[in-house]
Amino acid sequence: ETGVTQSPTHLIKTRGQQVTLRCSSQSGHNTVSWYQQALGQGPQFIFQYYREEENGRGNFPPRFSGLQFPNYSSELNVNALELDDSALYLCASSFWRGEQFFGPGTRLTVL
Amino acid sequence: DQQVKQNSPSLSVQEGRISILNCDYTNSMFDYFLWYKKYPAEGPTFLISISSIKDKNEDGRFTVFLNKSAKHLSLHIVPSQPGDSAVYFCAASVVGNQFYFGTGTSLTVIP
Repeated sequence: ETGVTQSPTHLIKTRGQQVTLRCSSQSGHNTVSWYQQALGQGPQFIFQYYREEENGRGNFPPRFSGLQFPNYSSELNVNALELDDSALYLCASSFWRGEQFFGPGTRLTVL
Repeated sequence: DQQVKQNSPSLSVQEGRISILNCDYTNSMFDYFLWYKKYPAEGPTFLISISSIKDKNEDGRFTVFLNKSAKHLSLHIVPSQPGDSAVYFCAASVVGNQFYFGTGTSLTVIP
């Protein structure tokens, strides 16, 4: 059974650019949640996708958007990057209402 | 609006002794609580959970206690081992919805 994987592991962008982060969910899971973890903070919920539909969103602006594909993998897109977007981005997959399994994260640095 | 709080950023314990990590929450609607452990360069790993219908859950060396009236959660590790050294996050949710994480407690177990 393959766990949750994320790509890339590290990424450096400049202000104003756009970025796409990817997440492959654990086999059989139909729900993906994305979290942002800033340095010294706990993960903050961005949004969740269930069966390709957004199902809940945290306090993040519209320039944070996502997709879930028929195989339940997911993308997180961030437009017009700002310095404060520098963080570890975590995705977690689960069955609907089940325990969340986290990937290793993508470290994004915005210069 | 920090709905889950871990007021101790760090904790040091001698090997073999008990580690007690604390967590407070403000939302009385939370009915499902988790503890995650996180090593550097890895995503959070599920450790133990408890639902609001219980006040205690044990799994080997790990016990989670829930005091709903005080809105307080604690994780006991007995006996503590050097491999337990990591950052521990508590998280809470209304089942099926987003998780709210605390800011983490860095545990160091001294050999």
